[in-house]
Amino acid sequence: GAVVSQHPSRVICKSGTSVKIECRSLDFQATTMFWYRQFPKQSLMLMATSNEGSKATYEQGVEKDKFLINHASLTLSTLTVTSAHPEDSSFYICSARVIPPTGTETGEQYFGPGTRLTVT
Amino acid sequence: RKEVEQDPGPFNVPEGATVAFNCTYSNSASQSFFWYRQDCRKEPKLLMSVYSSGNEDGRFTAQLNRASQYISLLIRDSKLSDSATYLCVVGGFQKLVFGTGTRLLVSP
Repeated sequence: GAVVSQHPSRVICKSGTSVKIECRSLDFQATTMFWYRQFPKQSLMLMATSNEGSKATYEQGVEKDKFLINHASLTLSTLTVTSAHPEDSSFYICSARVIPPTGTETGEQYFGPGTRLTVT
Repeated sequence: RKEVEQDPGPFNVPEGATVAFNCTYSNSASQSFFWYRQDCRKEPKLLMSVYSSGNEDGRFTAQLNRASQYISLLIRDSKLSDSATYLCVVGGFQKLVFGTGTRLLVSP
């Protein structure tokens, strides 16, 4: 399958600081990337859809001014958690949608390894 | 009602057993169906897509019943390495909705 990398894999920061997480598609171009959050023993929750060259689409209840998303190229999307608080501690995972050469949309998404954020 | 519902388990089975997971979804307009596998503290990995005609990949068989809005995954000859959480995933072109997952524990 397609390879998606994420950096950093783990970060600990103090309350009030900002943290940037990078998501890269390594062997394909991703016009659309997705950002999820997963709390312990819960399912993945979509936070936002990131489209290259345009503004991200946020899910209901997700503050766009707190979770800044930038998708400046076809292989890179970043999520910045601004003014982080302990309740933002979670597992953040990005994914990228693969479009086969035939143009048939399968909807498959491949995930990065995730970033575990701990805010103290 | 959740958009995607799964039995959380855990399912405890011995090696070599056959185990089946079920999943129901509420949005009849859903277009894409998948099973993902997630190991503890890791990202989900695509196990297989699910088609109306059913599909099989080695020991894994997936079935979709659109009329009943029901998806299943059958694992035959369970291995220790099959121990993980299996996520039922439903979606359209842009958005995937994840179930909370069914945990499988395969013991020697």
